[in-house]
Amino acid sequence: EDKVVQSPLSLVVHEGDTVTLNCSYEVTNFRSLLWYKQEKKAPTFLFMLTSSGIEKKSGRLSSILDKKELFSILNITATQTGDSAIYLCAGNYGGSQGNLIFGKGTKLSVKP
Amino acid sequence: KAGVTQTPRYLIKTRGQQVTLSCSPISGHRSVSWYQQTPGQGLQFLFEYFSETQRNKGNFPGRFSGRQFSNSRSEMNVSTLELGDSALYLCASSLLSDSGQDGYTFGSGTRLTVV
Repeated sequence: EDKVVQSPLSLVVHEGDTVTLNCSYEVTNFRSLLWYKQEKKAPTFLFMLTSSGIEKKSGRLSSILDKKELFSILNITATQTGDSAIYLCAGNYGGSQGNLIFGKGTKLSVKP
Repeated sequence: KAGVTQTPRYLIKTRGQQVTLSCSPISGHRSVSWYQQTPGQGLQFLFEYFSETQRNKGNFPGRFSGRQFSNSRSEMNVSTLELGDSALYLCASSLLSDSGQDGYTFGSGTRLTVV
């Protein structure tokens, strides 16, 4: 059965800390792995990863995929209170990009 | 440009009723997917439409159905509502079914409460 597992489920840090969020996957016909940030309702797209070992960066956020070990990490450096959110990892499988299987998310709380 | 628009924002229905939710994708986007989000199960894939055709369907009962119109707007319908159908229903759109590196853009969702 396809699944995506995220860890930890929740995390509390202080501003300025660096955090690493983990995502492991078992997805048939794997195409790509996506990261989203969900603050209130609409998840907002962060990264799409298709190739192993190539880091994607956006400001203080970065992510990398390991297709051999079937996992991805999302790093956030110099955290800010605005980074507080649920971070979702999703595996895209099957014949089209519409098929996303999501993990349960990591709830990150950044305290001032 | 306008984002993905979902209506209504909130809905309260009673058991046994049916409900129709609407999603207007970003202009030019042809692929629309629907997801159900609950605290216990997280985000679960319902179905995907591309050019008015359902391309994929998740593991939901037949009470859940959808369609896409020629202007790419999509609706999903849930019949014979059950308490467990209470959830946030999210719609996401993409330019192409096999789009590039920009992932899917989600709407703000419809919060359905079944009482």
